[in-house]
Amino acid sequence: DAGITQSPRHKVTETGTPVTLRCHQTENHRYMYWYRQDPGHGLRLIHYSYGVKDTDKGEVSDGYSVSRSKTEDFLLTLESATSSQTSVYFCAISESWRISRSYEQYFGPGTRLTVT
Amino acid sequence: RKEVEQDPGPFNVPEGATVAFNCTYSNSASQSFFWYRQDCRKEPKLLMSVYSSGNEDGRFTAQLNRASQYISLLIRDSKLSDSATYLCVVNRDDMRFGAGTRLTVKP
Repeated sequence: DAGITQSPRHKVTETGTPVTLRCHQTENHRYMYWYRQDPGHGLRLIHYSYGVKDTDKGEVSDGYSVSRSKTEDFLLTLESATSSQTSVYFCAISESWRISRSYEQYFGPGTRLTVT
Repeated sequence: RKEVEQDPGPFNVPEGATVAFNCTYSNSASQSFFWYRQDCRKEPKLLMSVYSSGNEDGRFTAQLNRASQYISLLIRDSKLSDSATYLCVVNRDDMRFGAGTRLTVKP
């Protein structure tokens, strides 16, 4: 299994509070991603990073920010959590942006976030 | 309309059955295609890539029809351990995931 950890694994927070989720990899992969997964929807890309301090928005980036100060760590921040951000959040890594049989995208174990 | 559409199921089949899942995608510029498997409350894992010529991996066969923008996955001789959700994934500029098809294989 790829060396990806996420913390915390579970979190319950109140509306309006800031929340930071952490993704840590030991594979030295260049690309890191944050997805959210909701019932009836596929995984949707929130933000991604293509290097230290290089990040860009994905499909559903509103209400989220990210930072990557080291190759191994990618942080996702909800500045002011809302109930619509209750979801399962997955971090992923890859060696290449172009995903293929040679360059697979690996996922972390996920973080279950509940915003009450 | 979602970019990647799958029948959500659930598919409930007996052990040993053959089951097929279908997936359609809307963007003709899509370049690579995959099936992922996701067990309950776990992360998605790559099951197999899908090639235009069709490809097989043991009991699993994947097919791609670019003209119809259609991808399929066939599982033969289903095992209890095949119970999971199967995600169709299409890569264009980024990865686009279907919502998944849930399979339960029963004794």
